[in-house]
Amino acid sequence: EAGVVQSPRYKIIEKKQPVAFWCNPISGHNTLYWYLQNLGQGPELLIRYENEEAVDDSQLPKDRFSAERLKGVDSTLKIQPAELGDSAVYLCASSPSGARGTQYFGPGTRLLVL
Amino acid sequence: AQKITQTQPGMFVQEKEAVTLDCTYDTSDPSYGLFWYKQPSSGEMIFLIYQGSYDQQNATEGRYSLNFQKARKSANLVISASQLGDSAMYFCAMRRTGTASKLTFGTGTRLQVTL
Repeated sequence: EAGVVQSPRYKIIEKKQPVAFWCNPISGHNTLYWYLQNLGQGPELLIRYENEEAVDDSQLPKDRFSAERLKGVDSTLKIQPAELGDSAVYLCASSPSGARGTQYFGPGTRLLVL
Repeated sequence: AQKITQTQPGMFVQEKEAVTLDCTYDTSDPSYGLFWYKQPSSGEMIFLIYQGSYDQQNATEGRYSLNFQKARKSANLVISASQLGDSAMYFCAMRRTGTASKLTFGTGTRLQVTL
């Protein structure tokens, strides 16, 4: 069974440029998460989707970040414009329905903003 | 609110020895799950083991076991017979059960396995 797929793996951009990350979850997983991981820290949730609905986006900086999950499968996270402080690892995870709902993570996208 | 505390920034262990990584938590939720993830230098978070708050027995998965002490709010990870490939960051995390809620992570412990 294929795991969570993310692309690109690495991205270097200049500040004020836009950037987008893509995630394809494990087949059959209804719930999709985007996490932000700063250096030396654990991941923190940005947004959670149940199918195509964003059910928790309270930590998403909506002035510059946006996300979508059309058709309830793959998802895109966008930053526009990027700032120096956005340099981090962006992790996508998915989980099946059910009480335990173990989250399985993709390899992440390492973003460097210059 | 939920909080995870990992007080060991780094740990060393010799190959083939056992090591315990500490994790304490705080939550007001009556039902919750505790998770451990491994993050090698490649960056991917790898699920290791799960413990439900109402599980009667401590969870085990191969060389990994979880020492769950509910009254003390601790969920320590024990790795037996350490291998060089175990060198990585280890994160403790928790979430409410019953809904697909977010994971709350600790700051992690870096484990280095030596010869």
